[in-house]
Amino acid sequence: AQSVTQLGSHVSVSEGALVLLRCNYSSSVPPYLFWYVQYPNQGLQLLLKYTTGATLVKGINGFEAEFKKSETSFHLTKPSAHMSDAAEYFCAVSYSGGYQKVTFGIGTKLQVIP
Amino acid sequence: DADVTQTPRNRITKTGKRIMLECSQTKGHDRMYWYRQDPGLGLRLIYYSFDVKDINKGEISDGYSVSRQAQAKFSLSLESAIPNQTALYFCATSDPLAGGSTGELFFGEGSRLTVL
Repeated sequence: AQSVTQLGSHVSVSEGALVLLRCNYSSSVPPYLFWYVQYPNQGLQLLLKYTTGATLVKGINGFEAEFKKSETSFHLTKPSAHMSDAAEYFCAVSYSGGYQKVTFGIGTKLQVIP
Repeated sequence: DADVTQTPRNRITKTGKRIMLECSQTKGHDRMYWYRQDPGLGLRLIYYSFDVKDINKGEISDGYSVSRQAQAKFSLSLESAIPNQTALYFCATSDPLAGGSTGELFFGEGSRLTVL
């Protein structure tokens, strides 16, 4: 069975500081990995995804994530936080073959302090 | 206009009432989903449909039913609402022939339901 663990349900960073949101997954087959972002009163939108190939994935708004198979991790980073990055971030996993069931983490709320 | 539209966006109802949440999409995707979001629990799958004749239960389907009226429309019903069904509900779509072959989902803006 697949699962996703997001460490830290709330993360606070200062404006201009590094953003690091942690995600570890469990999957018995090669995973597809996603980060979604949810701004207040909005639905989720895709930030970035890893399917195959390059393990460092770049997404929208300056975010990137690195797939590390040995650590079963897919942490999300951004070098310099902006106020507009304040949102909730969800890590998700699916896998190839058959129905691509998507399992979500519990989410991490990012607060950016001026 | 949004590609995945949910109505209503907000609804307050009383225990025991029947509620329907509607979802329509213009993305042309065959696969549609209903998720529920609760604080601290992330998103959990209620029902999913791969086409008009294919409907499947997700992990938390008890107390819910769905109807796939057309490729573009997928409705979620609460036959007799109870307070612990208070949550934010999301409709989503995917296309297995495109980016959705990986499970990538496209979400509506959500329907916030409060059951008193």
